[in-house]
Amino acid sequence: AQKITQTQPGMFVQEKEAVTLDCTYDTSDPSYGLFWYKQPSSGEMIFLIYQGSYDQQNATEGRYSLNFQKARKSANLVISASQLGDSAMYFCAMRGLQTGANNLFFGTGTRLTVIP
Amino acid sequence: ETGVTQSPTHLIKTRGQQVTLRCSSQSGHNTVSWYQQALGQGPQFIFQYYREEENGRGNFPPRFSGLQFPNYSSELNVNALELDDSALYLCASSLAMGSGANVLTFGAGSRLTVL
Repeated sequence: AQKITQTQPGMFVQEKEAVTLDCTYDTSDPSYGLFWYKQPSSGEMIFLIYQGSYDQQNATEGRYSLNFQKARKSANLVISASQLGDSAMYFCAMRGLQTGANNLFFGTGTRLTVIP
Repeated sequence: ETGVTQSPTHLIKTRGQQVTLRCSSQSGHNTVSWYQQALGQGPQFIFQYYREEENGRGNFPPRFSGLQFPNYSSELNVNALELDDSALYLCASSLAMGSGANVLTFGAGSRLTVL
């Protein structure tokens, strides 16, 4: 079974500053994938970044980077140069890669507010 | 390419009624999964369809059922609605099953309110 924990219900960041959103996970799968999704008020989940458990380097996608610390079972999202449009809910999720199923396990999310 | 589209966007039902939600997957995607997102929570996996068959299910009772059609679109049916079924129902499509960074593309959801 997989479990995702996001301990920050809400975060504030000044525009143009960087912010880190925390995520810890637990799983018995030897290989797994970690995902971050953004959910604006409109409702759709927007994929941001992916990290495989065997990837040697931390994933980066534009202003998003994933600080993956396998021994600590953490997969924090770093957003650099925050923009007003980054205000949204952010969800960390994971999937075991051995079952062949696509089901993601999500955390409870962090609401990020970017202040002008 | 078109993304995932869901209908209806909002609907209100009463306890005991039945509801059908619809989803058109992203062009080229052959796998569809459904998630329930209660207010203030993360999405929870309901089930997944591949080649028109259910091939994975979360912790949801049998009154939650689904279909996938030859064009890969899908339906979620919920019978005997309960108040706790009030939630945002998200449909997600993907290219294939479970390989590495197999990213799910989500729709904007159908918000169901049960009175």
